[in-house]
Amino acid sequence: GAGVSQSPRYKVAKRGQDVALRCDPISGHVSLFWYQQALGQGPEFLTYFQNEAQLDKSGLPSDRFFAERPEGSVSTLKIQRTQQEDSAVYLCASSLAVSGINNEQFFGPGTRLTVL
Amino acid sequence: TQLLEQSPQFLSIQEGENLTVYCNSSSVFSSLQWYRQEPGEGPVLLVTVVTGGEVKKLKRLTFQFGDARKDSSLHITAAQPGDTGLYLCAGAPGNQFYFGTGTSLTVIP
Repeated sequence: GAGVSQSPRYKVAKRGQDVALRCDPISGHVSLFWYQQALGQGPEFLTYFQNEAQLDKSGLPSDRFFAERPEGSVSTLKIQRTQQEDSAVYLCASSLAVSGINNEQFFGPGTRLTVL
Repeated sequence: TQLLEQSPQFLSIQEGENLTVYCNSSSVFSSLQWYRQEPGEGPVLLVTVVTGGEVKKLKRLTFQFGDARKDSSLHITAAQPGDTGLYLCAGAPGNQFYFGTGTSLTVIP
């Protein structure tokens, strides 16, 4: 399909394990966003890429969280030494526009991470 | 304290009833967006409001942007079971994008 895809859809990790979450944005979309969403709550901003440049990572909760988009397309969110409080749905969104902030973002279905 | 507060947080109504969801902030936004999210899916954009006082209609949904561009409302007329979902307002007062706290709507057939 032509939408944003994320993998895996579900991930169960033992506390202390490292995980990597993948996002395939819509082809040609310049802006890419990662969000963390707790159950029943609104998504919270984690980080923003414009092409391969990470322009804002102020929302990353700790230095255990790392995101990259090396070729300006696919992005990976990595969480090291996972903790139970990292359990959430991680959403990826892409936007055609350069700034993306006030333009339509297209969201993937998310990856539900459960840390035991 | 959340930048965008939504009320109510939960709403359960019978099919055919009307409802209003509110999104409030102390910050001024150049625009606000409304999204709907269904279980297991990402949010989907419903509308963007840009001008203070603006009213936009999308079938049975009416969106209003406050005159001071600090708040917005979503009114649904004659709710249908297909309207069930998590409704989110969102905007960027600066360079970072914020979502509201969310309103979970259940429409009972």
